[in-house]
Amino acid sequence: SAVISQKPSRDICQRGTSLTIQCQVDSQVTMMFWYRQQPGQSLTLIATANQGSEATYESGFVIDKFPISRPNLTFSTLTVSNMSPEDSSIYLCSAYTYNEQFFGPGTRLTVL
Amino acid sequence: GIQVEQSPPDLILQEGANSTLRCNFSDSVNNLQWFHQNPWGQLINLFYIPSGTKQNGRLSATTVATERYSLLYISSSQTTDSGVYFCAAPYGQNFVFGPGTRLSVLP
Repeated sequence: SAVISQKPSRDICQRGTSLTIQCQVDSQVTMMFWYRQQPGQSLTLIATANQGSEATYESGFVIDKFPISRPNLTFSTLTVSNMSPEDSSIYLCSAYTYNEQFFGPGTRLTVL
Repeated sequence: GIQVEQSPPDLILQEGANSTLRCNFSDSVNNLQWFHQNPWGQLINLFYIPSGTKQNGRLSATTVATERYSLLYISSSQTTDSGVYFCAAPYGQNFVFGPGTRLSVLP
């Protein structure tokens, strides 16, 4: 299995600012993902964080809004840029290893 | 892409009751996972079950890949079982999550 930590665990931000979320995995993994979970909804994949190359974004998500870094096989960051209240969600990092996907505890973001 | 459906959307049980949650998927899959999201938002891996049946304590799961569905059984439910249960199936290198079943177990 994989143990994943995220920080911050929660934050309250002002409209127009940016927040960077960090994700750390306790072992090297090839595949890391970022998801968004809006209130009362299921998980939606934002992007696949690729080590050594640009992230692969899903339809409806763009790099300018959600820049992602993946400097090595254990770490990734997601930035939520120019935030609006509609960005209030839980953001989850995941890693895929041993045929299973494991999740971090999530970052609960509130934008005022 | 693959479509994942779950039923029922909501379920209320009295403590001690049994329940069955269902996950249907539109394409054949070589992987399927069940998760429990507790009231604090943490996603907990329950089962990796591309086919067959697995059991873990009071929980068990069965996937019939040829018929494109999976079932999660919860026996002798406890209040700590409350939360949302998701199934997820792979699509390419990604995973698609179902809409979830929200379970409330009453004391």
